[in-house]
Amino acid sequence: DIQMTQSPSSLSASVGDRVTITCQASHDINNYLNWYQQKPGKAPKLLIYDASNLETGVPSRFSGSGSGTDFTFTISSLQPEDIATYYCQQYHDLPTFGGGTKVEIK
Amino acid sequence: EVQLLESGGGLVQPGGSLRLSCTASGFTFSTYAMSWVRQAPGKGLEWVSGISGSGGTTYYVDSVKGRFTISRDNSKNTLYLQMNSLRAEDTALYYCAKDKLGSVAADGAFDIWGQGTMVTVSS
Repeated sequence: DIQMTQSPSSLSASVGDRVTITCQASHDINNYLNWYQQKPGKAPKLLIYDASNLETGVPSRFSGSGSGTDFTFTISSLQPEDIATYYCQQYHDLPTFGGGTKVEIK
Repeated sequence: EVQLLESGGGLVQPGGSLRLSCTASGFTFSTYAMSWVRQAPGKGLEWVSGISGSGGTTYYVDSVKGRFTISRDNSKNTLYLQMNSLRAEDTALYYCAKDKLGSVAADGAFDIWGQGTMVTVSS
């Protein structure tokens, strides 16, 4: 199994701040990495696929980068509606998710 | 509108069975692989099982192998998850999710999700 280690597990930032979340794979997964946003009581929503591709309709302040084992997800300017938990997910092997990062407003 | 609607969850005793259903609309169901993803209360996401567009290929996470069976009826646009020998650790909100790319199972991102159906295993 490929393990996905996401950090931090939670963070608090101010509106307008740049927010960065990292995800590390236990094995090389090329660019087979996706990012999701989950708001409380809601289903997850796909934001970034194949490490760096923005899903249709997703605001451009969200971005992703990385390849191999190390990946980064960035919100360039945090907005109040971005309060959520964010998950990475690999599909190089059977899908596995990272543990999640809860983003709060300071 | 592309939509997934799960049903069939409920309270079941340990060792019992349940069958979950997921009805799809707004896209050509048979063209896309589908998966079940679960989330235990207050916990993260766990992929459970995936099935190809034709239904001919299936995959499972190790913890449910031999107990859960994924299937689909493309004539009814419906995905199923038969869950047997249920355990307390299977308690979770179960989501069905559509593969973004196409018909190969568990091979990409999940771009459409249902709202989930809750399964509680308890005596």
